[in-house]
This record gives sequence, structure tokens and C-alpha cells, in this order.
Amino acid sequence: GQNIDQPTEMTATEGAIVQINCTYQTSGFNGLFWYQQHAGEAPTFLSYNVLDGLEEKGRFSSFLSRSKGYSYLLLKELQMKDSASYLCAVGTGANNLFFGTGTRLTVIP
Amino acid sequence: GAVVSQHPSWVICKSGTSVKIECRSLDFQATTMFWYRQFPKQSLMLMATSNEGSKATYEQGVEKDKFLINHASLTLSTLTVTSAHPEDSSFYICSAKGQFSYNSPLHFGNGTRLTVT
Repeated sequence: GQNIDQPTEMTATEGAIVQINCTYQTSGFNGLFWYQQHAGEAPTFLSYNVLDGLEEKGRFSSFLSRSKGYSYLLLKELQMKDSASYLCAVGTGANNLFFGTGTRLTVIP
Repeated sequence: GAVVSQHPSWVICKSGTSVKIECRSLDFQATTMFWYRQFPKQSLMLMATSNEGSKATYEQGVEKDKFLINHASLTLSTLTVTSAHPEDSSFYICSAKGQFSYNSPLHFGNGTRLTVT
């Protein structure tokens, strides 16, 4: 079976840094994805990790440790528009993508 | 970049009727399409995986006779919610992958908000 855990909600201040953690236990692993989803909209792709380590892309970075079944998404210089749900998703051997419950991030002034 | 078009964006229907949702890949051939359902403040739940020219694979707990999926071509998959009931009201999202993109991100449609009255 698939099990993906994320915190349900987080709050952070504009300009700050926030780290959203994700732990997973899945059968098969083709990589870990992070998506951003604003309310009522489809998810948009943020990052992809298949090897251990940190991938940096502008204000967003994503880290993966396959041995620990752990990933995090790091958001720097938070902006109000970053308020959204952040979904951790694991690609499995069956070419499917299973999503975690998502973390609702609220950025406050 | 790759674009997936989903139609309609929203639909309101009466209980007992059927609703068809279309998902099209506009600039690539989608050998695999996925259908997700999302209830308010919850994450995406995979309903089924459809491969062009074959029967869809449904996730546990999803009624295949209620949620009919057809993937007749490499650019079109449809989800039909048959005999819809109020509890089927949800946000339905499709996504697609190209033939040679097993490790690339999914491309999502904009979703369809279904309200059954």
C-alpha cells in the first residue's frame, strides 16, 4: 500500500523561510514530486527528486532521502501569493502518482 | 509546455442523471491518463488509470460501473459519472503523461467542479 504523510497546516510570515516535510512508504518508487495547488485550481508542478540530495529552483528547493523515505520542500523569501496547499506525491513502479494529504500554508504579513 | 484541457470547468446536474467530463492532451500524445477526485480541503485521490485502447484500472473502492472511463485515442479520455448523486459532488481532475515521460511530472487539466442537486 501507499502511505504519504505531511503536516495538515502551517503558518509562516512574509519574507521568512518555511520547510514542509513529507514522509512516505510506498511499493515502488519512481521519484518524488511537489505540487502547489491554490484553492479551486489544478495542481502545478514545482519540483521532482529521484536521487538523494537537494534540488534548488529559485525560491523553492526540494530535498530527498530515499533511505529515510523523507522529503522536504523549502520555500524562501515567502510572499503572500505562496499561500496555497503543497502536495507531496510519489511516483510508483506502476507509473501512478499518489498524493499526500497536502499541507495548507498560510503566509501572514 | 504540455497542455491538458479539461471540459467542462463546472457542471450542475440533477440527481440520477449522468455527466461526461472530457480530458484532452493538446500538444502531446498521452498514453496514460489519470483521473483524480478531490473533496474540499482534502488531497487528490486517484480514482483510476486509463491507457489508450485498454480498460481502465480502478483504485480500490471506486465503482467502475459508476465511473465509466474511456480512453479511445492518444489525446482524449472521458469520465462519465453515471446516475450521479449528491455525494458525488466533488472536484474531478484529470492528468496525462506522454509515452516517453515515465519520470516527468504529470500535466493536469484545470479540473471540473461537479455539483449534484
